[in-house]
Amino acid sequence: DQQVKQNSPSLSVQEGRISILNCDYTNSMFDYFLWYKKYPAEGPTFLISISSIKDKNEDGRFTVFLNKSAKHLSLHIVPSQPGDSAVYFCAAKRLSGGSNYKLTFGKGTLLTVNP
Amino acid sequence: ETGVTQSPTHLIKTRGQQVTLRCSSQSGHNTVSWYQQALGQGPQFIFQYYREEENGRGNFPPRFSGLQFPNYSSELNVNALELDDSALYLCASSLVGQREFFGPGTRLTVL
Repeated sequence: DQQVKQNSPSLSVQEGRISILNCDYTNSMFDYFLWYKKYPAEGPTFLISISSIKDKNEDGRFTVFLNKSAKHLSLHIVPSQPGDSAVYFCAAKRLSGGSNYKLTFGKGTLLTVNP
Repeated sequence: ETGVTQSPTHLIKTRGQQVTLRCSSQSGHNTVSWYQQALGQGPQFIFQYYREEENGRGNFPPRFSGLQFPNYSSELNVNALELDDSALYLCASSLVGQREFFGPGTRLTVL
């Protein structure tokens, strides 16, 4: 049972345009969400996060939106750059309660930004 | 400040063998978590250690075991290797309850 889903295995955009990566979750106990970027031969690198008490968090070119009622979050990258080409993982955590020690990841979306 | 390091980078084993993977935490971090990333999948939580004690475990059989040492380095041991154990194994360190920092991973191939 996959609790965090990234339904688009890949996404291709032109340099300078917006990239939108989507993520859905099923476990309503999740209250903290993160996006990680992963290059080949490297571990995942933290990008941006959002708590369930917010619906938007922004950091430079990266913005994460959270829609709790739809159990959906999205990552917007504006403008997209060729160096953004990587696999992006959505992850969720339950900070409250007893299982705040683990991240639950989606399968990832391969973003390709074309020059 | 050094980041999270893992060794070896790659490893090839045969079915039934045992393997030990190693992780050196980021300086000052007292918590380490291990994840398994199979091909085409996202990382899956194996277990976490905090101050040398197991702090939580995912849905992995007992042949997956771990250790955390006083210097906060860690080992992941897998006994009786199966073909499905072929994956990238990621170690992540943190201060308890804080954001994890991942190492580059160890690629294990079981033949």
